[in-house]
Formats: sequence, C-alpha cells, structure tokens
Amino acid sequence: KAGVTQTPRYLIKTRGQQVTLSCSPISGHRSVSWYQQTPGQGLQFLFEYFSETQRNKGNFPGRFSGRQFSNSRSEMNVSTLELGDSALYLCASSPVSETQYFGPGTRLLVL
Amino acid sequence: GENVEQHPSTLSVQEGDSAVIKCTYSDSASNYFPWYKQELGKGPQLIIDIRSNVGEKKDQRIAVTLNKTAKHFSLHITETQPEDSAVYFCAASIFGGFKTIFGAGTRLFVKA
Repeated sequence: KAGVTQTPRYLIKTRGQQVTLSCSPISGHRSVSWYQQTPGQGLQFLFEYFSETQRNKGNFPGRFSGRQFSNSRSEMNVSTLELGDSALYLCASSPVSETQYFGPGTRLLVL
Repeated sequence: GENVEQHPSTLSVQEGDSAVIKCTYSDSASNYFPWYKQELGKGPQLIIDIRSNVGEKKDQRIAVTLNKTAKHFSLHITETQPEDSAVYFCAASIFGGFKTIFGAGTRLFVKA
C-alpha cells in the first residue's frame, strides 16, 4: 500500500497570504489528523477528521481550518499567515484503530 | 490539561550501549502509548506501541515498559547502532479517542 502523501513538500509564502496543504491518507484509512511541528513546541495537534467530520480540534486560532472529502483526502488552510506559522505540517492517517501513520510533511516558510 | 513529559531531551550513547527514554502522562484515561522515530526530512514512523493492559512489550532490540500506577512509560533500545540516531517521540492517547498527545522528543546520538 502506498503511504500517506502530502503536497506540496515545500512552500514559501509571505505574511498575510493564505495557504492550502493537501493530504492523501493510506487507502482505506478514514481518519486524518494534522499536526504542526516546530523546534520549540514539538508536535502540536491541530485537528482530526473522520468521514468528513471534524471530531477534535487543538488550541490553534481560527486562522487554521481544515476539511475532509468523501474520498478521505484532507486539506488544511491557514489564512493571514504570520511569521510564527513557519513549521513542518504533518498529516497522519489511521484505520479503525488509533495507530497513526505519518506523511513526510509540508515545510512552510513564511517570510 | 493533558500533557506528556519526555526526558531526556538529548541523549548521546556509544554504539553497542543501551538507551532509555522516559515519559510521563497526565491523563489517567490514556490507554494507548505509541513511540515514533523521526529521521531528518521524514515524518515520524511508528516503531513500537503498548496498550494499558500490558506491562511490557519487546520487538528485537526495542522494548517498552508501562507503569500505569505511576503513569510512566519508557523506551529501551539495546545494542544501539548509528542508524538508531534520530528523534524519538512518545505519545499517549485514549483507545477510540480522536486526539494523541506527544512528548517534546528526544534527540538520540549513537556514536560509532
């Protein structure tokens, strides 16, 4: 089976812009979670989707949003980018169990 | 709130020695504890996990122990090799739950 794929892998944006990141889970996995990884804060949970429904959300401002499509692919959007949003954004998918499988991440740099 | 503390933040060992990473969780309802290894430029990869109904689990050179009473769990790597050098994350979650809390990570250096 193909693993979790994320696109794009690298992205450079400027402050105030918005960005959309995409995640394709492992075939058959219906749960997709998003994390922000920074050197100072480690892995911070953003949100989790299952069957197109957001089931849980972390402590991030409303500028961070996401959605899941009927084929389980997921997107996350960050509006009005700030310098502090520079990070590695990781997507993880899981089947019925809670074991998560991570993608390679999208590295976002905000200038 | 929910929290997972991980120690040490950095660990340097000689090839062939053992390495131990320790974590403490705060939510007593947590019952699933995975460990991930993250190499440079890659996403975290699951290396071993343990459920709360088991006290210890071993997979070749890697073992995990769990003390539910103390809310501690640890990763043990024996006979370390240079390719074990990476960042290791512990995590805690509730089976069937929708959120996993990660520790801050341990950067392991294995010197040849």
